[in-house]
Amino acid sequence: DQQVKQNSPSLSVQEGRISILNCDYTNSMFDYFLWYKKYPAEGPTFLISISSIKDKNEDGRFTVFLNKSAKHLSLHIVPSQPGDSAVYFCAASAGGTSYGKLTFGQGTILTVHP
Amino acid sequence: DSGVTQTPKHLITATGQRVTLRCSPRSGDLSVYWYQQSLDQGLQFLIHYYNGEERAKGNILERFSAQQFPDLHSELNLSSLELGDSALYFCASSAPGPYGETQYFGPGTRLLVL
Repeated sequence: DQQVKQNSPSLSVQEGRISILNCDYTNSMFDYFLWYKKYPAEGPTFLISISSIKDKNEDGRFTVFLNKSAKHLSLHIVPSQPGDSAVYFCAASAGGTSYGKLTFGQGTILTVHP
Repeated sequence: DSGVTQTPKHLITATGQRVTLRCSPRSGDLSVYWYQQSLDQGLQFLIHYYNGEERAKGNILERFSAQQFPDLHSELNLSSLELGDSALYFCASSAPGPYGETQYFGPGTRLLVL
């Protein structure tokens, strides 16, 4: 049962354009969502997060949008740069006894072409 | 650099053996999480410790165990190793925030069981 899904295994974008990475979830108890970036042979690097009480959070070139009714979140990167090429994971956590435990999607490989 | 350290970076061992992976959290973080990333699966939550106490368990095998010491570093013990245990093992540490916990990951230990 995959509670967090990233349906696009890969995305290719031209430098300077917008990258949009998508994530869907099924567990309505999730109330905190995070995006991580991962290079090969390195640990995931935290990018940006959003609480379920918000629908948008922005940090520099990165914006995360949350649509709770659709159980969908997206990460927008504008403008995209070649250094953004990496695997992007969305993750979610719920409160209660699951507090802090992250459930990850399978990842999307982003390639930004110069 | 996330501030989370893991040793060793690489580990090659044989089936049936036992290994210990070590993690030092960021200064001040009380929580340590362990995750496994194998080729055919994404990041899977194994176990969570908070200030020396086990808080939550995921799909952690009985052959695996962990502990968190008074200085807050953590060790993940893997015993009776099988070929399928070959994977990347990450630890993360976190501190609670206003909306949820943001986890910061170490560089990982790559385990190869031959």
